[in-house]
Amino acid sequence: GAVVSQHPSRVICKSGTSVKIECRSLDFQATTMFWYRQFPKQSLMLMATSNEGSKATYEQGVEKDKFLINHASLTLSTLTVTSAHPEDSSFYICSAGARDGLGPQHFGDGTRLSIL
Amino acid sequence: AQKITQTQPGMFVQEKEAVTLDCTYDTSDPSYGLFWYKQPSSGEMIFLIYQGSYDQQNATEGRYSLNFQKARKSANLVISASQLGDSAMYFCAMEFKGGGNKLTFGTGTQLKVEL
Repeated sequence: GAVVSQHPSRVICKSGTSVKIECRSLDFQATTMFWYRQFPKQSLMLMATSNEGSKATYEQGVEKDKFLINHASLTLSTLTVTSAHPEDSSFYICSAGARDGLGPQHFGDGTRLSIL
Repeated sequence: AQKITQTQPGMFVQEKEAVTLDCTYDTSDPSYGLFWYKQPSSGEMIFLIYQGSYDQQNATEGRYSLNFQKARKSANLVISASQLGDSAMYFCAMEFKGGGNKLTFGTGTQLKVEL
């Protein structure tokens, strides 16, 4: 089945650091990828839609200058948390779908980000 | 707007018993998909089962089945013969064709399987 790889799985860094998270579709091409954020004991909240070759579409309330998204190829999207602060600590997870219609999306394993 | 509701924050079931996790949805779009995902404590999202709004039959995948009642706008997940490894958080999600394939998630149900 479709596989999505996300890296790194865990990041611990100091406040003010910028952190890049990669999401790769390993055996299919993904024109669209999605980035979610999940706080403990809560559901997944969509942050943005990453579109290959064009600008990402951000959900209301998500700072585009804070969470930079780049989707330079059909197999790679990156999320950069710029100048991270403790309140950015969360679980970030990406997903991708390989088709135009409806159907299952496949998720990466997520990244646990801890800002000290 | 699309909305997914899971009213059971936590459920307990005994091993080998069946359990039903509830999910209701609201949308005015005629074309949509409903999903169930399992999230163990390690965090990954595991796809379990999918039901399209135009599918005539209820979806089944091994021990998982989806009780799709379109008129009631419900898509309950039934897990048969529960196993200890089924203990996890379960999310119902919806995608609609006019929404760019974005998923909207419910709040989740924490399932614990007991001996």
